[in-house]
Formats: sequence, structure tokens, C-alpha cells
Amino acid sequence: AQSVTQLGSHVSVSEGALVLLRCNYSSSVPPYLFWYVQYPNQGLQLLLKYTSAATLVKGINGFEAEFKKSETSFHLTKPSAHMSDAAEYFCAVSGTLNTGFQKLVFGTGTRLLVSP
Amino acid sequence: SQTIHQWPATLVQPVGSPLSLECTVEGTSNPNLYWYRQAAGRGLQLLFYSVGIGQISSEVPQNLSASRPQDRQFILSSKKLLLSDSGFYLCAWSAGAGGYGYTFGSGTRLTVV
Repeated sequence: AQSVTQLGSHVSVSEGALVLLRCNYSSSVPPYLFWYVQYPNQGLQLLLKYTSAATLVKGINGFEAEFKKSETSFHLTKPSAHMSDAAEYFCAVSGTLNTGFQKLVFGTGTRLLVSP
Repeated sequence: SQTIHQWPATLVQPVGSPLSLECTVEGTSNPNLYWYRQAAGRGLQLLFYSVGIGQISSEVPQNLSASRPQDRQFILSSKKLLLSDSGFYLCAWSAGAGGYGYTFGSGTRLTVV
């Protein structure tokens, strides 16, 4: 079974500061890992995904994440926060079993607050 | 390209009234389809998923049901709404096993009064 833990329900940064959102996963099989962003009253949008290719994954809006198997982590970072990055971020994991069905397991989310 | 449509965007319904939320996907065939709910201050709860027409799996027992009458149509229903059914409902689709991830609809904000 897979699971993810997102450390910190809220993270506050100043505009221009480094953004670091933490995600640790648990999986009995090699995982696929995802980060999604949700703006208020909108659906979730895929930021980036890890599918066992490069361990450093670059996504949209300047975000990137690094897969670290030894630490079972997939933390999301952005060098310089913008006001428009304020949103809720979800980490998710799925297994690589080829069953014809993919079930994503989501973390509880981290709300990013950006102050001027 | 594939698109997912979900409607209505907002809905206010009295307790005890029926519910029907619809989701359709375009540009793909035989998608896996999902209904999620977000309650205030909580994460994403998977309600139902479907791997084909007429095939519905329920993740949690509740006052809701789902149906898939056509390949790219997924409907969430209730015969009698409860206050606890309020929340933000999201439909999503995926291409199957592997690292595709999900594509989400824009969501429906349901308020039961």
C-alpha cells in the first residue's frame, strides 16, 4: 500500500524567498510521485511528476522536486516565491503495478501563504 | 487534446433533495474516472472510481452513488442530501496504469442547507 505525508499544513514565505514543501512517501513498489496545485474553488492542476527517469524533475511555474529514495522524499521547491504561488499543494503517490488501473493516494495538502 | 467538463460549478440544495453532478471527458476513450470530495479543512477523499461502463467501485459507504452510463460520462447522485454532503466535488480521469497522473475537472461547490 502507498501513502504520503506532507509535513506542515501551512507554510508561510515572503515574496522572493525560497519555497520548500515537504513530502515523504511510503510504497511497497517503485513509486510514481506527483505534485498538484489547487487555487481557491478550482480543480487540481499537475505541477510535475516523477516516473523513474531523472530524479530531479522540473515542472511548471518554476517548481521542481527531487526524488530521494534513501530518504523516501519528494520535496517541492521554488527558488523565489511569487504572490501568485499562494495556493494549496498536494503530493500524491501511486504504484507501478501494471493492473490497468492507477490509484493515486494524496497527502492532506499544504497551504502556501506568500507575503509581500 | 483531452478535456474534462464538470457541472454545475456551484449548487445550493436543501436537505433531503436529490443530487446529480455530471462529468464528461473528451478526446480519449475508456478512461478511468474518479469522484473526489473535499470537505472544508480536509484533504481529498476518493468516493468512487470506474474502469469501464457500468463498473463502479465505492471507496467509502455514504449517502452517495455513482453511475457510468457511457464511456466518457460519470455521474454522482444522491436520493436525499444530508448537511454532511456539503463540500467541493471533483471529477478526474486517468489513462490507466502507469505514471500518467490524473486530470481534474474544475469542481462543483455543493452547499446543503
